[in-house]
Amino acid sequence: DTGVSQDPRHKITKRGQNVTFRCDPISEHNRLYWYRQTLGQGPEFLTYFQNEAQLEKSRLLSDRFSAERPKGSFSTLEIQRTEQGDSAMYLCASSLLGNNQPQHFGDGTRLSIL
Amino acid sequence: AQSVTQPDIHITVSEGASLELRCNYSYGATPYLFWYVQSPGQGLQLLLKYFSGDTLVQGIKGFEAEFKRSQSSFNLRKPSVHWSDAAEYFCAVGAGDTGRRALTFGSGTRLQVQP
Repeated sequence: DTGVSQDPRHKITKRGQNVTFRCDPISEHNRLYWYRQTLGQGPEFLTYFQNEAQLEKSRLLSDRFSAERPKGSFSTLEIQRTEQGDSAMYLCASSLLGNNQPQHFGDGTRLSIL
Repeated sequence: AQSVTQPDIHITVSEGASLELRCNYSYGATPYLFWYVQSPGQGLQLLLKYFSGDTLVQGIKGFEAEFKRSQSSFNLRKPSVHWSDAAEYFCAVGAGDTGRRALTFGSGTRLQVQP
């Protein structure tokens, strides 16, 4: 069990640039989730996939955000035209199918907008 | 909609002392409840979970939590704290029985351990 892997760990970019993050879930996990965590707060749900289907999206996921999981394995989260308020830790989690399966988190990608 | 309140932003305990971190949730049906721990710059590690059955659940690292439906609480406890337990602790609630998968987290409790 190699755990959930996220890349990069840190990203610094200028306001207005586009950024893309990658998440590789635990290999047998069908579900994949994205959360955002700002300083001093708990994670906030963004979206989740079951295999390649995006089944749930939060209102936090504005039209500048897009997430994909094209082959039901790894996922990418893209933020277009970044803003200062996008500075946060972006966490990925994965789980098995089933109502009572816990979500296992990666170490996150910390995004800093200059 | 579900919500989680962690009333204590910051707690300091002495090494070897007992610990209780409070968590209150709001959810109309039987909740799925979790405690996670986060070290600085790291992701979240699952400590324990409650779905149904025995209301006292055991987790990793010597932690336990008790689900009290009448008080809408799921407090985390440890009988003797170690310096390595210093971290941020998050309580979360899920509504898995509805088909929704999003977890709702509290704002966390930062634990400091004094030698």
